[in-house]
Amino acid sequence: AQKVTQAQTEISVVEKEDVTLDCVYETRDTTYYLFWYKQPPSGELVFLIRRNSFDEQNEISGRYSWNFQKSTSSFNFTITASQVVDSAVYFCALSEVFSGGGADGLTFGKGTHLIIQP
Amino acid sequence: DVKVTQSSRYLVKRTGEKVFLECVQDMDHENMFWYRQDPGLGLRLIYFSYDVKMKEKGDIPEGYSVSREKKERFSLILESASTNQTSMYLCASRRDRVRDNEQFFGPGTRLTVL
Repeated sequence: AQKVTQAQTEISVVEKEDVTLDCVYETRDTTYYLFWYKQPPSGELVFLIRRNSFDEQNEISGRYSWNFQKSTSSFNFTITASQVVDSAVYFCALSEVFSGGGADGLTFGKGTHLIIQP
Repeated sequence: DVKVTQSSRYLVKRTGEKVFLECVQDMDHENMFWYRQDPGLGLRLIYFSYDVKMKEKGDIPEGYSVSREKKERFSLILESASTNQTSMYLCASRRDRVRDNEQFFGPGTRLTVL
């Protein structure tokens, strides 16, 4: 069965520091998709990025970057020069293509609460 | 922009009441999902629907049912609410069954069962 682990329950840093959120996943599928979502205090989950299992290229989008390593089953998320507006709960999620008849939908980690202090 | 709306942001109900949580999406998406979010547990899938009149059980369907009579609307029903169903409920939609399509989420309904 698939599983996503976000070991960091809460991280607190001072503004302008870099911060990395860890995500480790387990799956028996060879084809799968990984996602990161942001949940600000308003509650609505906002999609950040998607990565498929065949694409190990790292991605950078402004201050955000993602490091996907199949060898360690990790999909880590780094925020460079953090800002107060980055404060939120961040979720890593997994979607398998062939889930052995199991439920569709995303398997989420428990989330990391990121606090950026001014 | 995809918009997913949920009928209430906050809801307080009594044990034993029948509760309806409504979700509407405006982008003609085929798939819709209901999750619940609890501290320390993350989001867990309750039910999902691939299309009108279709429904599939998720990981924690016990105590819930769903209805999808129209493509844009997906309702979550608590037949007899219990205190352990106090939670944040999140609805999501996805364009189709292609699993790398992202899900779009509504703002959530925080349900308290007394």
